[in-house]
Amino acid sequence: DIQMTQSPTSLSTSVGDRVTITCRASQSIRNYLNWYQQKPGKAPKLLIFAASNLQSGVPLRFSGSGSGTDFTLTITSLQPEDFATYYCQQSYMTPITFGPGTTVEIK
Amino acid sequence: QVQLQESGPGLVKPSQTLSLTCTVSGASISSGSYYWTWIRQSAAKGLEWIGRIYIRGGTNYNPSLKSRVTILVDTSKNQFSLNLTSVTAADTAVYFCARGITALGTNGDFDYWGQGTLVTVSS
Repeated sequence: DIQMTQSPTSLSTSVGDRVTITCRASQSIRNYLNWYQQKPGKAPKLLIFAASNLQSGVPLRFSGSGSGTDFTLTITSLQPEDFATYYCQQSYMTPITFGPGTTVEIK
Repeated sequence: QVQLQESGPGLVKPSQTLSLTCTVSGASISSGSYYWTWIRQSAAKGLEWIGRIYIRGGTNYNPSLKSRVTILVDTSKNQFSLNLTSVTAADTAVYFCARGITALGTNGDFDYWGQGTLVTVSS
């Protein structure tokens, strides 16, 4: 199985800040990397697919980059509704695997 | 508007079979463009892909669960289902059904999810 890791595990930040979350795969997954946002009691929401493509309806302050094994999710100018947990997911091969998540908390 | 809704018992006894159904509206489950997928989430394992059914290509399961999992589809009802046999407390989780996009060679970008249903395994 492809192992996904994320850093940091959590971070405390403020509205208006820039946030960067890193995801690493245990082997090359080319650009088959997705990012999700999950709020308590809700299903994950697809933000970014194929490493850098913004899902329809997702605000432009979200962006993704990377290829191979190292990927980044960036949120510019964090908004109150962005406090949540973020997961990366590889769709390169089955079994599909997810990262452990990064929780973005209010400072 | 595509919607997915899980249904099934919230409590299952150890060694019994967990059975859930996902009802899809706003999209045809017969479309060959999607993987219809089950994912679960627990504190211990995080988000765990269980498996998928693909109208044109059958099923794929997580090897860690493969011996216990069956995913079926009922196109007449626009539903797909999950059966997980011989459950233990480790199978306690929130179970989600999701639609996975198959375009561009991906094995699944999950663009629509059900709300999730908590299944507890306990006697």
